[in-house]
Amino acid sequence: GEDVEQSLFLSVREGDSSVINCTYTDSSSTYLYWYKQEPGAGLQLLTYIFSNMDMKQDQRLTVLLNKKDKHLSLRIADTQTGDSAIYFCAESIGGNNDMRFGAGTRLTVKP
Amino acid sequence: DAGVIQSPRHEVTEMGQEVTLRCKPISGHDYLFWYRQTMMRGLELLIYFNNNVPIDDSGMPEDRFSAKMPNASFSTLKIQPSEPRDSAVYFCASLTGGGIAGELFFGEGSRLTVL
Repeated sequence: GEDVEQSLFLSVREGDSSVINCTYTDSSSTYLYWYKQEPGAGLQLLTYIFSNMDMKQDQRLTVLLNKKDKHLSLRIADTQTGDSAIYFCAESIGGNNDMRFGAGTRLTVKP
Repeated sequence: DAGVIQSPRHEVTEMGQEVTLRCKPISGHDYLFWYRQTMMRGLELLIYFNNNVPIDDSGMPEDRFSAKMPNASFSTLKIQPSEPRDSAVYFCASLTGGGIAGELFFGEGSRLTVL
């Protein structure tokens, strides 16, 4: 497909794990990214993964990359209410600085 | 560094009026991007500049939209005349070519409402 695709909503209970999935478009993307947008704010880079890796762990965050299926996921362990935000998957197209973003997944964490 | 600075944070205007949104990128960043965010269409790239030169403006919706970057520390996005369907949050972002490719630094956005 032409678009970076993500599901729009995810709701979890505090303390559970959250998994946000994404399908991207360009198999030549060098980096794939997860950005976080808190209410009323701009996006902030949360983490990224090199295309030659299949996993990256950073504290409570785990990124998994399946290049064959062009599938990217973000797992948040022990999800907290402060993790409630919109999470955007993004890829850099053709190696240049033209970023393509998914529509964002709104994560709601219930106490 | 203060980060990417956008103004105004909120603008309410009437259809037909001219709107000018402003952006100051992070000092030393050589790429500047304008994005638009709506519930219906998500985050859309409108235009980006490299070293003050527009590189790709294919996302600019129509001739009513124009963007300039007269120097490395300032950019404007102008809508003239504005229409209700232009209501959105407009984000400016900057990036340094020497950093992590794709690490965009976003401003807090300008929320535009066109009545």
